[in-house]
Order: sequence, then structure tokens, then C-alpha cells
Amino acid sequence: GQNIDQPTEMTATEGAIVQINCTYQTSGFNGLFWYQQHAGEAPTFLSYNVLDGLEEKGRFSSFLSRSKGYSYLLLKELQMKDSASYLCAVEDSNYQLIWGAGTKLIIKP
Amino acid sequence: IAGITQAPTSQILAAGRRMTLRCTQDMRHNAMYWYRQDLGLGLRLIHYSNTAGTTGKGEVPDGYSVSRANTDDFPLTLASAVPSQTSVYFCASRRTEGTEAFFGQGTRLTVV
Repeated sequence: GQNIDQPTEMTATEGAIVQINCTYQTSGFNGLFWYQQHAGEAPTFLSYNVLDGLEEKGRFSSFLSRSKGYSYLLLKELQMKDSASYLCAVEDSNYQLIWGAGTKLIIKP
Repeated sequence: IAGITQAPTSQILAAGRRMTLRCTQDMRHNAMYWYRQDLGLGLRLIHYSNTAGTTGKGEVPDGYSVSRANTDDFPLTLASAVPSQTSVYFCASRRTEGTEAFFGQGTRLTVV
């Protein structure tokens, strides 16, 4: 079967750095997406990795290792507005998106 | 403003009733999706359409049907609603594989 694993919940302090991990086992791999979802809202796109390595976009970076079936989302200089759920999704060999259950990130002052 | 729109935003429905959730996008995206999101389970794919005129079943299709008569519209129908279909439903679209998906604002459906 196909499986995406993320921690259920994480807590971090405003101004700090947090790393949210995602491991996957899927039927093929055509790319990995990270989305942010605030409570009661729709998911919004953050990043896309298809090759190994680090993609940086402002305060957010995403890393991929295809050989290890592993990705992480790194959030720097945390702000209270970063409190949200972060969803990892893998595009499989059929180009379907397989979603993790999401990681709820709680930011404390 | 270009985007993807769902209607209604919320609905309380009696069990056994038929209901259609509407989804329209104006980005000319080929692929469209219907997901349900339940606490602790993440997004689960109900049905999808890779292009107008074609549809496919996702992970949890039972009790739901879709149609894709044109590029813009992708309605989801519950033929006879049951309480287990209480959920938040998201419609999404994307241009093609390997591109980001855009989501509608969601429909909160309660079946009583």
C-alpha cells in the first residue's frame, strides 16, 4: 500500500526554527509537495521538490532525498501566523497525489 | 479574480436526501479532484478527472458520483446521504501533473 508519515503535532517558539519531517512509501515517485492549511481554510501551496536537495523560498525551505523516501519542511524565524497544519503530498507513478494526514504546528510566544 | 469556487460553503442535510456539491474553476485546468477531509485522516480522494469527459475513482468513491461535461465544472453528487458522509469537502484543480493544485474554500457538510 501507499503510505505517507508525518508527526501529528509539533510545538515551537516564536522566532525559532522548526523542521517537519515526511517519509513516504508510494507506487513510484513523480514529485513531492508541501501545503499549508490554516484552521477552517483550504490548503495552499508552499513548495515542490522533484530532484534531491534543498529548495529555499524565503523563510521556508524544503528538502528531498528520493533514495531514503524522505523530505522535510524547514521554517525559520517562526511567526505566530505560521501556526497551521502542514501537509505533505507525493505524486505517484499514476500522477495521483497521495496525502499525509498533516502536522499541526503550534507556535508559542 | 481567477480561481476555484465551491458551493455551498456549508450545508446540513437529512439522511437519505440527494445533494450536489458544485465546483467551478476558471483557470482552464485539465485535472480536477474531489477530496474529503476528516480529523486525523488527512485528505482522501473521492473522484478525479484528468480532462473534460473523463472521470476516475479515488480512494473512497462509494456513495458519490461525478461528471465532467466541460473543463470548468466538476460537480459531486451524493445519491442518498448517510451520516458517515459528514465531512469537509474540497474541490481542487491543477493544470497538469507535476504542477501545484489549487483548492476551493471547502464545503462543510453535516448529514443528520
